Amino acid sequence: AQSVTQLGSHVSVSEGALVLLRCNYSSSVPPYLFWYVQYPNQGLQLLLKYTTGATLVKGINGFEAEFKKSETSFHLTKPSAHMSDAAEYFCAVSATGGGADGLTFGKGTHLIIQP
Amino acid sequence: DAGVIQSPRHEVTEMGQEVTLRCKPISGHDYLFWYRQTMMRGLELLIYFNNNVPIDDSGMPEDRFSAKMPNASFSTLKIQPSEPRDSAVYFCASTLGQFGYTFGSGTRLTVV
Repeated sequence: AQSVTQLGSHVSVSEGALVLLRCNYSSSVPPYLFWYVQYPNQGLQLLLKYTTGATLVKGINGFEAEFKKSETSFHLTKPSAHMSDAAEYFCAVSATGGGADGLTFGKGTHLIIQP
Repeated sequence: DAGVIQSPRHEVTEMGQEVTLRCKPISGHDYLFWYRQTMMRGLELLIYFNNNVPIDDSGMPEDRFSAKMPNASFSTLKIQPSEPRDSAVYFCASTLGQFGYTFGSGTRLTVV
């Protein structure tokens, strides 16, 4: 079975600083990995996904994530935080990309941007 | 494309009442998922369908919960009778094969 651990339920960074949100996964098969963002009172929006191929994945809004199999990690980064990045971020894993077995989500990380 | 449409956005009901949540997936998507989000348990997969057929309902918490998908453009999640612990945000999501989910905006259910 798949599982996801997001380190830090809350992360606070200053505007313009590096954003690093940590995600570690456990999967019995090669995983498909996702990051979603949720703004208050809204649904989840896909930021980026890793399926196969290049391990550095670029997403929307300047975010990127790197799949490291040896570390079972898929950390999300952004070089320079913006106030509009304040939101809840979820890492998720699927054995098949979400089409056959659903996604398993982490508990989420609340990103706070300090002015 | 209007995305995944859920209704209502908010629902307040009294304990013991029947509640029906609705979802219209994106046209052409062949998978539909229902999730529940709470502070305590995070996002939980309740049930999913493939081509209108329920595939896995192991996440449905109790027999009080039921879901149907009578056609490719409509699904319902019903709770009967509702209880205060059912209060949560319920999300519907759809996908075409393995290309990633699109989520609806959710229904915030409050059972008093």
